[in-house]
Amino acid sequence: DTGVSQDPRHKITKRGQNVTFRCDPISEHNRLYWYRQTLGQGPEFLTYFQNEAQLEKSRLLSDRFSAERPKGSFSTLEIQRTEQGDSAMYLCASSLPRLAGVHNEQFFGPGTRLTVL
Amino acid sequence: GNSVTQMEGPVTLSEEAFLTINCTYTATGYPSLFWYVQYPGEGLQLLLKATKADDKGSNKGFEATYRKETTSFHLEKGSVQVSDSAVYFCALTSYSSASKIIFGSGTRLSIRP
Repeated sequence: DTGVSQDPRHKITKRGQNVTFRCDPISEHNRLYWYRQTLGQGPEFLTYFQNEAQLEKSRLLSDRFSAERPKGSFSTLEIQRTEQGDSAMYLCASSLPRLAGVHNEQFFGPGTRLTVL
Repeated sequence: GNSVTQMEGPVTLSEEAFLTINCTYTATGYPSLFWYVQYPGEGLQLLLKATKADDKGSNKGFEATYRKETTSFHLEKGSVQVSDSAVYFCALTSYSSASKIIFGSGTRLSIRP
């Protein structure tokens, strides 16, 4: 399967614990995005990478959240000291770079559903 | 800032009925507009897109026309099927936003046989 993959698909944790999610993008895509989707809402942008550089972070991304893409391939999203409000679906997407004002389609992974008890 | 407002659901229709899901947007510049679909148990998929005013995006019998004068991008289908049951998201991206997608809140569509 050459689509975007995410691991784990589901994570249940207790408040205060740290969690880490992984995203593997489509191999030739150098842009990688993280979004968060809460129940009944559309996805909200968190951050994005071009290769290994993290170029933008939303103000939704508090200092408890950190994302990395060390070799410009897979990415990890870590949440420290989880809170019940962190419960959501975390989506990863990847795309080719934007060229000459043309938007390239973002391909989404299946998401990681986080439940904080 | 940029935003998308779409028709609240849920929407329930009978098979072969005509579908319209309204979507309006606020954006600076000239955004690209999208409809994404999320089938039960599956990830988000791009359904159709339009990148400039008066463009019509179409796919799987669905259509939407980019109307700059009314800042709208309404989704339509002439005859829905049970398999169209899903959540539909209107979305936009703009050059100034580094291609991050801004989504509406989604409309859940259920089709009765």
